[in-house]
This record gives sequence, structure tokens and C-alpha cells, in this order.
Amino acid sequence: EDQVTQSPEALRLQEGESSSLNCSYTVSGLRGLFWYRQDPGKGPEFLFTLYSAGEEKEKERLKATLTKKESFLHITAPKPEDSATYLCAVRGAQKLVFGQGTRLTINP
Amino acid sequence: SQTIHQWPATLVQPVGSPLSLECTVEGTSNPNLYWYRQAAGRGLQLLFYSVGIGQISSEVPQNLSASRPQDRQFILSSKKLLLSDSGFYLCAWSRDFYTGELFFGEGSRLTVL
Repeated sequence: EDQVTQSPEALRLQEGESSSLNCSYTVSGLRGLFWYRQDPGKGPEFLFTLYSAGEEKEKERLKATLTKKESFLHITAPKPEDSATYLCAVRGAQKLVFGQGTRLTINP
Repeated sequence: SQTIHQWPATLVQPVGSPLSLECTVEGTSNPNLYWYRQAAGRGLQLLFYSVGIGQISSEVPQNLSASRPQDRQFILSSKKLLLSDSGFYLCAWSRDFYTGELFFGEGSRLTVL
């Protein structure tokens, strides 16, 4: 069965303090790994797609990387507006499976 | 550009009452449409998906149903709500069914009392 586990569940950082969020997965026939950002009370917003190990994508202060077993979302010099829940999802041969998310809080 | 609208944003319903949530997509044709539920502290659970008008696939057996009367309209319904139906409901669309690039609506917060 395809599975996605995100860690940590919650993370508090000071503004400017860089860190990484982890997404570990097991899937048969990976068709893509996807990162989303979700603000409280809103629908998730698509951020990145990664298809193969070694691939990287960047957007502003965010960079997503992929290995054969996990993905990292690196946040460089975060700002308070980066506070949100970040969701990871994998598409296997059967379905799209979402992780539980990491709730990120950036304190000014 | 494509947009997705979902309503109502919030509703409080008594147990046993009916439910209708609506979702429409603009700016694209023949989208793949999805209904998800997100419970507090839990991941997104796929409820229904549709690849075309009148084509509905159910992922979780329950007292909810979905319909797609028009190409860009997706409706989630129930004849009699249960307490366990409370949650945050999200409509989404994608261009390709075999992708994880979904575009979500703003969500509908349902509280069943």
C-alpha cells in the first residue's frame, strides 16, 4: 500500500532561520511527488512537482528535492508569511496519497 | 486563466438534514473533478472523482453521493447527514487524471449538530 509520512508534525522557527521539512514515501510506480501549501481555512495551493531522484525545484525561499525514498522542502531565510501547513503527496500507479502535513510557524 | 468556485463556505446543519455542496470550474474544458474531505489533524481523504459528465467514481462507501450534471459542475450531496460527516470539504480539478497537480477550491466547512 502506498504511504506518505511527513515530519515533523509541527515546526516553529525564528524569521531568517533556515530549515527543512521531510516527506518519506513508499509507492509502487512513482508517477510524481507533489508539494502543496495550505493556509488556515483555505484549500491547498500547488507548489511543485518532482518526478525523479535528483530533481530539484525552487520558488522564492522554497526548494524541493527528491530521492528514491524521500523528499525535502528546504526553507531558506523564512519570513512570517511562509507560515502555513505544507502537504506532500505521491502519485503511484493506483492513486494520489497525501501526507498529514507539517505545520510551519515563523515568528518575527 | 482557470478558476474554481466552491460554495457555501460555511454551513451548520442538524443531523438527518440534507446536504448540497456545489463546485464550478471556469476557464477550462473537460476537467477531472474531485471531492476531498479533510478532518482536523488528518490528511486529505478522496471521496469521489469524475473524469467526465455523468461519470462518478466513489472511493469511500458512505451516505454521501456526487453528481456531475455539466462539464464543469460537481455537486456533493447527502439525503441525511450524520455527525461523522462534519469536516472540511474541498473540491479540486486537474487537467490529467494521472497527475497530482490539483487545483483546489476555498473549501466548505460543514458542522453537523
